[in-house]
Amino acid sequence: DTEVTQTPKHLVMGMTNKKSLKCEQHMGHRAMYWYKQKAKKPPELMFVYSYEKLSINESVPSRFSPECPNSSLLNLHLHALQPEDSALYLCASSPYPASGITGELFFGEGSRLTVL
Amino acid sequence: AQSVTQLGSHVSVSEGALVLLRCNYSSSVPPYLFWYVQYPNQGLQLLLKYTTGATLVKGINGFEAEFKKSETSFHLTKPSAHMSDAAEYFCAVSGTNDYKLSFGAGTTVTVRA
Repeated sequence: DTEVTQTPKHLVMGMTNKKSLKCEQHMGHRAMYWYKQKAKKPPELMFVYSYEKLSINESVPSRFSPECPNSSLLNLHLHALQPEDSALYLCASSPYPASGITGELFFGEGSRLTVL
Repeated sequence: AQSVTQLGSHVSVSEGALVLLRCNYSSSVPPYLFWYVQYPNQGLQLLLKYTTGATLVKGINGFEAEFKKSETSFHLTKPSAHMSDAAEYFCAVSGTNDYKLSFGAGTTVTVRA
């Protein structure tokens, strides 16, 4: 059982829709991440939050908007997406702040997004 | 900057046979090395990690890996494959004060009955 919970598991949206992906962890971790993963590829880092503040944005297009309402929650707001944005979106958390041993990540099962 | 190269995008083994997945790293600082596994339609799960200390690292599900600085390698092994080991395996590296985890391209493991 994963301790990082992502909802929804599947999402289909049109290019004009606005939707959100949600992530929750209750391990007391202070760093949270969004990754994007295309089929048969490794995950690509999108955003890093450390102590609830956005610390890293990997030059992600503005149609993706992250939000960290508190230390347990992480959202990814989606607007005006393109078909090429279809992918598995993974949330992860880490017991180490973003400047520490950043490889020990706990991943959720992901939200599979399809943009029509 | 850190990077890893996984040798072989696909490995097929018989049930009960040795599993060997190869990973070589490049790092300008002492590396932290990791192996993650991804089962179909799931997220990634940490199998094992090397940070400092003992170079032979044991992980979950019977896997282990050995850090060899002279060979810049961190190969993953399991003595006896099980059908449940069929998955995608990613080697990854980070460094001190490095916010980013660099993943290899991944190796798909299939297990034949």
